[in-house]
Amino acid sequence: DAKTTQPPSMDCAEGRAANLPCNHSTISGNEYVYWYRQIHSQGPQYIIHGLKNNETNEMASLIITEDRKSSTLILPHATLRDTAVYYCIVRAHNNAGNMLTFGGGTRLMVKP
Amino acid sequence: KAGVTQTPRYLIKTRGQQVTLSCSPISGHRSVSWYQQTPGQGLQFLFEYFSETQRNKGNFPGRFSGRQFSNSRSEMNVSTLELGDSALYLCASSQDRPGETQYFGPGTRLLVL
Repeated sequence: DAKTTQPPSMDCAEGRAANLPCNHSTISGNEYVYWYRQIHSQGPQYIIHGLKNNETNEMASLIITEDRKSSTLILPHATLRDTAVYYCIVRAHNNAGNMLTFGGGTRLMVKP
Repeated sequence: KAGVTQTPRYLIKTRGQQVTLSCSPISGHRSVSWYQQTPGQGLQFLFEYFSETQRNKGNFPGRFSGRQFSNSRSEMNVSTLELGDSALYLCASSQDRPGETQYFGPGTRLLVL
């Protein structure tokens, strides 16, 4: 699976949009972009994933650039409960199994 | 639908002992993966089981082993515990179709003294 690069930390004011970038310049055509988050000492929580089109669900929006070399996770109205480590992962959809390769993630601090 | 459950949630062992951790996947999920999380190494893949067979394995020593039962429940075992095995052990399950999302349990926090 392709490697991802994320800033180690970011701050966001409560109520504002949090935009978390991810670089995946070596992504292959069959690899999807996944986002998980991990609130302190809990198991990672799935947020969203996409291939090339922008995606939105009740938690967040995922914007993938046209060349697919980078993406941005958007939390439209961040709350204190969104403080967590956010992981961007790329993985292929194939029959090779379900291994996820986690990088260091971005530690998002939402401040009042 | 109940989520992934892991038992025990907390465990304290001493060096040289062995430990068994248990994971019950979401109903209908047949793939179970295990991960180790430490402050120094982050989240690392241990192994994945599907249909009672190990399908993928990470780069961990043979002291780390696992198995899966016919009801998809899984256990992992660590023998001859070392201080460095202190970690949060996470289990994740998914349906076995390409690209199915993995859902994680709350983890078992193991402390080796």
